[in-house]
Amino acid sequence: AQSVSQHNHHVILSEAASLELGCNYSYGGTVNLFWYVQYPGQHLQLLLKYFSGDPLVKGIKGFEAEFIKSKFSFNLRKPSVQWSDTAEYFCAASGAGSYQLTFGKGTKLSVIP
Amino acid sequence: DTEVTQTPKHLVMGMTNKKSLKCEQHMGHRAMYWYKQKAKKPPELMFVYSYEKLSINESVPSRFSPECPNSSLLNLHLHALQPEDSALYLCASSQGSRSQETQYFGPGTRLLVL
Repeated sequence: AQSVSQHNHHVILSEAASLELGCNYSYGGTVNLFWYVQYPGQHLQLLLKYFSGDPLVKGIKGFEAEFIKSKFSFNLRKPSVQWSDTAEYFCAASGAGSYQLTFGKGTKLSVIP
Repeated sequence: DTEVTQTPKHLVMGMTNKKSLKCEQHMGHRAMYWYKQKAKKPPELMFVYSYEKLSINESVPSRFSPECPNSSLLNLHLHALQPEDSALYLCASSQGSRSQETQYFGPGTRLLVL
């Protein structure tokens, strides 16, 4: 069965700290990977996506993610977080050619000023 | 422009009411989706329309009835809902080409069933 796991339920960081949120997937075949962010009271926004090619993808707001096929991982990183990064972060995956997007349970990030 | 709009933003309805949620996109996308999101949970897929035809129904109860009048519009008709149906209902759209599909989400309708 297809699944996405986010192991960190809640991460608390001070401003300027580095961030890494874990995401592991279980999919048969080619997989497309996404990170979405949901700021408090706002809608889901696409941070970045990976389909193929360079495994290091850069997204908006200084975020990047690395696809490591051997580890079935797609971790999200940011070198220096800001208070405004406080939000819920969802990793998601879909099979190639599929409309069905499977979400992880989400990681809540709290950044302390 | 990657905007998906949804109306209304908030909706309160009784269990005997009939109401509709509306979603609109003008990105030329040919796939549109309804999701349900409970607090502190990820979105759960309900329906997918591809080229105005229902492609996926994730065993959603019949009190939820989707409709896709044209390629830009998606409705969700609600009837005889239960209090446990209270949630944020999200609409999304994607290209529909089945190649590198990227879903873009609207702001959602927050539904409260009394």
